[in-house]
Amino acid sequence: QQPVQSPQAVILREGEDAVINCSSSKALYSVHWYRQKHGEAPVFLMILLKGGEQKGHEKISASFNEKKQQSSLYLTASQLSYSGTYFCGTEGAGSYQLTFGKGTKLSVIP
Amino acid sequence: DAGVTQSPTHLIKTRGQQVTLRCSPKSGHDTVSWYQQALGQGPQFIFQYYEEEERQRGNFPDRFSGHQFPNYSSELNVNALLLGDSALYLCASSLPGNSIQYFGAGTRLSVL
Repeated sequence: QQPVQSPQAVILREGEDAVINCSSSKALYSVHWYRQKHGEAPVFLMILLKGGEQKGHEKISASFNEKKQQSSLYLTASQLSYSGTYFCGTEGAGSYQLTFGKGTKLSVIP
Repeated sequence: DAGVTQSPTHLIKTRGQQVTLRCSPKSGHDTVSWYQQALGQGPQFIFQYYEEEERQRGNFPDRFSGHQFPNYSSELNVNALLLGDSALYLCASSLPGNSIQYFGAGTRLSVL
């Protein structure tokens, strides 16, 4: 089943923070986060394995709550380069399939 | 180091025709997955190839088939094209035992 992302879209001014949520109804083994800019391929940001660990990538970090089957992506002090559509992808135990949400469109304006 | 390469970049076909899309994985990657991305949607998993076999398949009809060659490159074939098959088709490769996907730029298929 497809994970649910929220919000669908968000507009930020440079320097503001944002949180993107991803929720699944099934037990998850891992959650991936990717960013896709218009006309380009999705690019991997980070992966979180079950265990509730939080990972960071410069000013972008994420958490995974395996009890709630939820993950959140945190963007701190946003830059213009953060603009794009963010997708979470979920993976179940024993599965090779990555199931993506519908995406969250993030626009950062000066 | 070349990334994932896909060909062609754009393709226009008519209903009922057949199409073949091609993908070369990143160096050192042995697994190839194919995704369909409709406008404004997330990528949808079609299938994954590993060791020249289809290892897992998503919810797509048999009109969608694939192949992986000994050099790990892959093809996606779609028969009896429908208007609804119009989409961006993404290929992604991954390292042995790793699920992180490295995507190609995709093939934009338009079915008229």
